[in-house]
Amino acid sequence: DAKTTQPPSMDCAEGRAANLPCNHSTISGNEYVYWYRQIHSQGPQYIIHGLKNNETNEMASLIITEDRKSSTLILPHATLRDTAVYYCIVRERSQFYFGTGTSLTVIP
Amino acid sequence: SQTIHQWPATLVQPVGSPLSLECTVEGTSNPNLYWYRQAAGRGLQLLFYSVGIGQISSEVPQNLSASRPQDRQFILSSKKLLLSDSGFYLCAWAGGFKETQYFGPGTRLLVL
Repeated sequence: DAKTTQPPSMDCAEGRAANLPCNHSTISGNEYVYWYRQIHSQGPQYIIHGLKNNETNEMASLIITEDRKSSTLILPHATLRDTAVYYCIVRERSQFYFGTGTSLTVIP
Repeated sequence: SQTIHQWPATLVQPVGSPLSLECTVEGTSNPNLYWYRQAAGRGLQLLFYSVGIGQISSEVPQNLSASRPQDRQFILSSKKLLLSDSGFYLCAWAGGFKETQYFGPGTRLLVL
């Protein structure tokens, strides 16, 4: 079972920052937080992951709270192509357990 | 760079027929390999994973089986398909247990 909780859907205006929250209150000290996204009818695409510190790459930023019980994925300037389902995952043992994610719609 | 292939892209099969889906990875050796299924509007369910040739672990009891005949080849099979086997099947690879998983393009299976 997924160890994360995400809102089922969100909207974001094109060009604005999209902030996607995730709760993982039972996360263990050595478990990473991963984010993937899935555009309709495609395989999930890796976005970013982190353990304790905030992370940034060319796609997004990941902000993890100090107690590590929640995190936020930030897409700094959302485009229409960012419309997708976003999955926040905490790895259990060696496996990735995907929940139902957040369906992000970027509005023109 | 590494790439992952799946075929076929789509498949329509009658109930009771056999199934064979193939996944191959290029550009890496001894990867961990995974099979997931995604039902319509649902999250991904892990079906099988493999850490090496001939080594298969099953996550859920079901009508499916998996095999890994070669280092970079992972096959999902069934002897007799059920209606409930319909879904989007995804293969993924990772460099190790603690490494990021990368997904293939998927196979959409419709059992009629």
